[in-house]
Amino acid sequence: KQEVTQIPAALSVPEGENLVLNCSFTDSAIYNLQWFRQDPGKGLTSLLLIQSSQREQTSGRLNASLDKSSGRSTLYIAASQPGDSATYLCAVSNNAGNMLTFGGGTRLMVKP
Amino acid sequence: DAGVIQSPRHEVTEMGQEVTLRCKPISGHNSLFWYRQTMMRGLELLIYFNNNVPIDDSGMPEDRFSAKMPNASFSTLKIQPSEPRDSAVYFCASSLSASQHEQFFGPGTRLTVL
Repeated sequence: KQEVTQIPAALSVPEGENLVLNCSFTDSAIYNLQWFRQDPGKGLTSLLLIQSSQREQTSGRLNASLDKSSGRSTLYIAASQPGDSATYLCAVSNNAGNMLTFGGGTRLMVKP
Repeated sequence: DAGVIQSPRHEVTEMGQEVTLRCKPISGHNSLFWYRQTMMRGLELLIYFNNNVPIDDSGMPEDRFSAKMPNASFSTLKIQPSEPRDSAVYFCASSLSASQHEQFFGPGTRLTVL
């Protein structure tokens, strides 16, 4: 059974700092990996999708990498801003049905 | 596009009552997913449909839970009878196809069973 772990569970940084969020998964036979953002009391917003054949994806200040062999992904946020404060979730799909297994999330706070 | 639409946004009911949650996926999307989020267990997939057909319902916790997708633009998740431990946020998501495409989530329904 796939298990997804995110470390750290919570992170507080000053504005402007570059930061890395980590995601690890136990079964490397994945179809894709997706990073989401969740604001308090809200739904999930898709940030980046990395297919199993890709090594990274970029969107603005966000860069996500994927190392299937080691079962790891990182989400890099450059020049963090208070508006980046949210919970970040990674999820992996192990089959063509795209059934996602989620990590527990990293709660990020960026202080002005 | 309005995105994935869920209703109601909040539901408070008493134990034993029937609860029906509704979802309208993004137009043109062929796959629909129901998830449940709790503090203890995080986000869990309950069931997913592809082209209106239920493909995997292994995440449905008990027979009290049922889901239907009568057409491409509407799905329901029903709990009968409801129990306090069913209290959670229920999310619906859709994607263009089952694989290789990102999932888009609705705002969720916060269910409280007293």
